[in-house]
Amino acid sequence: AQSVTQLDSQVPVFEEAPVELRCNYSSSVSVYLFWYVQYPNQGLQLLLKYLSGSTLVKGINGFEAEFNKSQTSFHLRKPSVHISDTAEYFCAVSDQARGKSTFGDGTTLTVKP
Amino acid sequence: KAGVTQTPRYLIKTRGQQVTLSCSPISGHRSVSWYQQTPGQGLQFLFEYFSETQRNKGNFPGRFSGRQFSNSRSEMNVSTLELGDSALYLCASRTNNGAGASYNEQFFGPGTRLTVL
Repeated sequence: AQSVTQLDSQVPVFEEAPVELRCNYSSSVSVYLFWYVQYPNQGLQLLLKYLSGSTLVKGINGFEAEFNKSQTSFHLRKPSVHISDTAEYFCAVSDQARGKSTFGDGTTLTVKP
Repeated sequence: KAGVTQTPRYLIKTRGQQVTLSCSPISGHRSVSWYQQTPGQGLQFLFEYFSETQRNKGNFPGRFSGRQFSNSRSEMNVSTLELGDSALYLCASRTNNGAGASYNEQFFGPGTRLTVL
């Protein structure tokens, strides 16, 4: 069984400020880790993923995430946000053997001018 | 390459009716997954199909069913609709070459917004 907990349901931040969206996961099997973004009235699109190797992963739009195996976390960060980053962000894990994916409840990031 | 397409985009039904939603994956993608998204429950996994076979299943009642055709297109059916079935239904496809496929990202369609009155 696997589960994903996104620790903040809403994160308001001012433009050009740094942001961190937190994600913890639990799984009895090995998983891959993903962050997706959903803009209003659209489907989800991939920001970045961790498969193996370096624990710091860089994605699109200046986002990066760090995998911490001991803390079973995969937090998403951006050093300076823009208004256009306002969206909902989902953390997800995928069972390496069976491919079944589990998503967190999402974090709504609101960037204010 | 064309993205994942879902039809219809919006649907209004009444309780007790049934509905069929359609998803066309990206060309070459053989895996199709379905998700239900609601404000209260977030993104819930319904099922995944690969090569016309259901490979994974979420915790939804039997009223929710799906199938996949030989061209990888997929349909999802919900029978005896309830008010709580109102949601955005998302379809996602990914390349799939067997056991290692789970590292591939999913490509999502825009969703079908189902309203049950």
